[in-house]
Amino acid sequence: EAGVAQSPRYKIIEKRQSVAFWCNPISGHATLYWYQQILGQGPKLLIQFQNNGVVDDSQLPKDRFSAERLKGVDSTLKIQPAKLEDSAVYLCASSWRRGYTFGSGTRLTVV
Amino acid sequence: SQELEQSPQSLIVQEGKNLTINCTSSKTLYGLYWYKQKYGEGLIFLMMLQKGGEEKSHEKITAKLDEKKQQSSLHITASQPSHAGIYLCGAARLNYQLIWGAGTKLIIKP
Repeated sequence: EAGVAQSPRYKIIEKRQSVAFWCNPISGHATLYWYQQILGQGPKLLIQFQNNGVVDDSQLPKDRFSAERLKGVDSTLKIQPAKLEDSAVYLCASSWRRGYTFGSGTRLTVV
Repeated sequence: SQELEQSPQSLIVQEGKNLTINCTSSKTLYGLYWYKQKYGEGLIFLMMLQKGGEEKSHEKITAKLDEKKQQSSLHITASQPSHAGIYLCGAARLNYQLIWGAGTKLIIKP
């Protein structure tokens, strides 16, 4: 079974630039999550999708972050414009029932 | 206070020694997950515990769940350099979201 695919693995951008991350979940997993993990902390949920609908985006900073999951499969997370405090690892996960699989993450550095 | 408390925050252990990491939830658990993470990378699934008293082992790592206390412990026997990394506990909530502890950074001294 293929895992959760994420790209890019690393990204360095200047503040005020925009950036997008891509995630392809495990086939058949209806639920998809995006997490932000500041180094030294646990992951923080940004958004949860069920198929192509948003279940919870209460912690997504909507003035600069957006996410979509078209056709209930792939998902993209965008930051525009980026701030220094957005430097973090962005993790995508998908789940079926109570089994969760994480991607390798995208390490974002904003300079 | 944190919804999921993990301790210790960091741990330096001599190679070959045993160690324990603890995780305590302030709310009802619908599953407790242990993951390992290399610095700045993705999460690798270790074990999932659902029932009170449940204990699972994989190689030299054992995890237990005390449902009444809403606590879990992760025990590593005869630690090796390959055990070094960050250990994260995650608690599943009714809405299928995972709430995370802050992680335990484990360093193995040769």
